[in-house]
Formats: sequence, C-alpha cells, structure tokens
Amino acid sequence: DAKTTQPNSMESNEEEPVHLPCNHSTISGTDYIHWYRQLPSQGPEYVIHGLTSNVNNRMASLAIAEDRKSSTLILHRATLRDAAVYYCILRAYSGAGSYQLTFGKGTKLSVIP
Amino acid sequence: NAGVTQTPKFQVLKTGQSMTLQCAQDMNHEYMSWYRQDPGMGLRLIHYSVGAGITDQGEVPNGYNVSRSTTEDFPLRLLSAAPSQTSVYFCASSNSVPGGTIYFGEGSWLTVV
Repeated sequence: DAKTTQPNSMESNEEEPVHLPCNHSTISGTDYIHWYRQLPSQGPEYVIHGLTSNVNNRMASLAIAEDRKSSTLILHRATLRDAAVYYCILRAYSGAGSYQLTFGKGTKLSVIP
Repeated sequence: NAGVTQTPKFQVLKTGQSMTLQCAQDMNHEYMSWYRQDPGMGLRLIHYSVGAGITDQGEVPNGYNVSRSTTEDFPLRLLSAAPSQTSVYFCASSNSVPGGTIYFGEGSWLTVV
C-alpha cells in the first residue's frame, strides 16, 4: 500500500496561512490525494482531494508537486475552528485499494489566538 | 440530509458479551467500511463492503463480523467482547466515482470492562 508521511504536529497563529506538508514518494499514477481532518470527538471530514493539478475549494487549497511525490494542504487564514488532526491519504482509482485506505497518525494542527 | 448514521454513540460492555454497532447511509453509496481508532492513533480498517451481499476483511478483522443485506445498512458485530476492543468505531461510506469523497459517521465509543 502506498504510504504517506506527515509531521506529527504544527502550530499556526490565528488569521495566518498554514501549509501542511505530506510526502507520498510511492504514489502510483492513478492514486488520488485526499485530505481529511478530524476535530476532537468527531469523525473525519473531507477537506479536499486532487490527482495532478492544484485544487481550490471553500475550505482550502491543495498544491501537488509536479512529480506527485508530495503535496501541501493550504489553509489560507487559520481560525480556532481549524485546530484538528489533518490526514493525508492516498486513494486508489479502483479495485480493493480504492477503499482500503491507510490512515497514519496525521498532523495535529494547533491554532494560537 | 442524514449522511452516515451510527448507533449507539456510547456503550459499555462486559467481557464476553456480544453487541452490534449499527451503521446506515442514505446516499446510495456502494462502498461502506468500519474503522477503529485507538487513542492517539489513526484509523484502522476492520471490514469493508463494495455492495450488498459482498464483504471483505480489512487490517484488523479478528473478533468482528459484518454483513451487508441492503445498500443502506452495514452492521458491525462484536462476537465476544474483549478489553482490547475498547475503542472508537467509525463507519464510512463512499460511491465508486474515482477519487470520490468518503463520508464518516460521528463515531461509537465502546468500552469493554
């Protein structure tokens, strides 16, 4: 299974941008890069996903390296509600790997008022 | 707009008892899965299903059974509860669209004493 590597924790000041990195050097050509976040005592929630091109939505932006071996989740202006554990996950295009997701420990983001 | 619904939210069991965690989704998703999350850890896949009548084992299936008689429901059965099964359990569902979003339930907190 393709694995991802993330820093254990990061801190950000409120209202400042946050860049959360993820390395996935063994990614295959058809793996999608997904980001989820988990607030305390809640289930993970979808943030963003992409394949090759950079992606933007109302929550965040996803920057994908040209070789696809790394990606960065960008929160443009961190708020206290963004304090959570962020998971970078690879999801296969189809077949068993499409739903056999591997969650690492993720990055715990702390937002300082 | 219910999404993925899990019941019960909290449960205390005695060692050796059996119980069923219920999971239902109203999005007509083909894929459903169960994860467990231990303190400070990421999610680990227990069992998954790609459609009604089809189930398969994930990373940590021992001590758990599943069935998928309908598209909407995917119950998880603990056959003979053990303290090692004390954990938070999350049900998830998604469609078969490549790279599709995965939706998680709010979790079921299980304590085995």
